[in-house]
Amino acid sequence: EAGVAQSPRYKIIEKRQSVAFWCNPISGHATLYWYQQILGQGPKLLIQFQNNGVVDDSQLPKDRFSAERLKGVDSTLKIQPAKLEDSAVYLCASSLALTSENKYFGPGTRLTVT
Amino acid sequence: AQSVTQLGSHVSVSEGALVLLRCNYSSSVPPYLFWYVQYPNQGLQLLLKYTTGATLVKGINGFEAEFKKSETSFHLTKPSAHMSDAAEYFCAVSDGGATNKLIFGTGTLLAVQP
Repeated sequence: EAGVAQSPRYKIIEKRQSVAFWCNPISGHATLYWYQQILGQGPKLLIQFQNNGVVDDSQLPKDRFSAERLKGVDSTLKIQPAKLEDSAVYLCASSLALTSENKYFGPGTRLTVT
Repeated sequence: AQSVTQLGSHVSVSEGALVLLRCNYSSSVPPYLFWYVQYPNQGLQLLLKYTTGATLVKGINGFEAEFKKSETSFHLTKPSAHMSDAAEYFCAVSDGGATNKLIFGTGTLLAVQP
């Protein structure tokens, strides 16, 4: 069974530029999560989808971050414009259903904003 | 609100020694508790989880954890450390509720000395 795929693995941009990350969850998984992991901290949930609907985006800085999962499969997370404090690893995870205990994480995208 | 506290951001043990990583939680409802491991440049991998039932749970790679409600703790242990155990370990809590959101601790970096 293929795992959660993310791309790119690494990205370096200058502040005020835009960037997008892509996630392909495990086939058949209805629930998809985006987490932000700042160096030295635990992952923090940014947004959670159930199929193509948003379940929780309370921690998403909506003035600069956006995410979509149009067809209920792949998802894209965008930052526009980026700030220095957005430097982090962005992790995508998926689970079979909203109530599933097991969540499967991708390898992450490491973003450096200079 | 739920939270997790991991005591000790860095722990160093000798190969063959006992591993003890500490985690205390706060939750207003019966918690679901998890330990994840993160190897360098990789995503998070579930080590073990407690939801209901037996309070001593066994996970992969010889790790186990005991849920102690009276101490609000879920410490991770392994009788004998191996060099391959060197990684970062995250404790997490979920309420198993409508969003089943994971709240992570700040992580403990485990070093294993030869």
